[in-house]
Amino acid sequence: RKEVEQDPGPFNVPEGATVAFNCTYSNSASQSFFWYRQDCRKEPKLLMSVYSSGNEDGRFTAQLNRASQYISLLIRDSKLSDSATYLCVVNQRGSNYKLTFGKGTLLTVNP
Amino acid sequence: GAVVSQHPSRVICKSGTSVKIECRSLDFQATTMFWYRQFPKQSLMLMATSNEGSKATYEQGVEKDKFLINHASLTLSTLTVTSAHPEDSSFYICSAPTTGVLGSDGYTFGSGTRLTVV
Repeated sequence: RKEVEQDPGPFNVPEGATVAFNCTYSNSASQSFFWYRQDCRKEPKLLMSVYSSGNEDGRFTAQLNRASQYISLLIRDSKLSDSATYLCVVNQRGSNYKLTFGKGTLLTVNP
Repeated sequence: GAVVSQHPSRVICKSGTSVKIECRSLDFQATTMFWYRQFPKQSLMLMATSNEGSKATYEQGVEKDKFLINHASLTLSTLTVTSAHPEDSSFYICSAPTTGVLGSDGYTFGSGTRLTVV
């Protein structure tokens, strides 16, 4: 099982649609969870951290289920500017505090 | 906010030559820098962790003699790809804990270096 596994995508949605991304992680020792977005040929940028109680930032809602080792991201009222690859990232606290990235799911929002 | 400056952004080199990539933390001190590589349509894969004042830690399968890492100061880490070959062509990117301290939740990324070996 891959350490971090995401929906393979790609997702193509019209403007205004709601889109959900799913992610599972294999290491139960993972402590911190994030969603990053990466535009084509650019560096990843933090979209939001994911907390156990779930958290919302405007149109974006992230949820974590530790028992199922599952993370989700919901984007409501999608905009053209939301088009990017969304990366699920987990941080294993240990000697190196390493980030492990999912392969990413490409989202294209169409006019 | 915390900024990591990475140079060069793009480099084309001949097979057999060496290429040095620099990452500088501009407004914070980074005791640790992570180096990643990303092939097209693949995830970022951690190559190594550089630590200021000590030897880097390499991930399994990454040749330490080929990918030389130096973390000479609290604001500079370098990755040198030695004797580059076409299969080394990739997107290399560095990252540091945003506060400079491991255990924080935020990580700042450099803008990446696209290496093409011809």
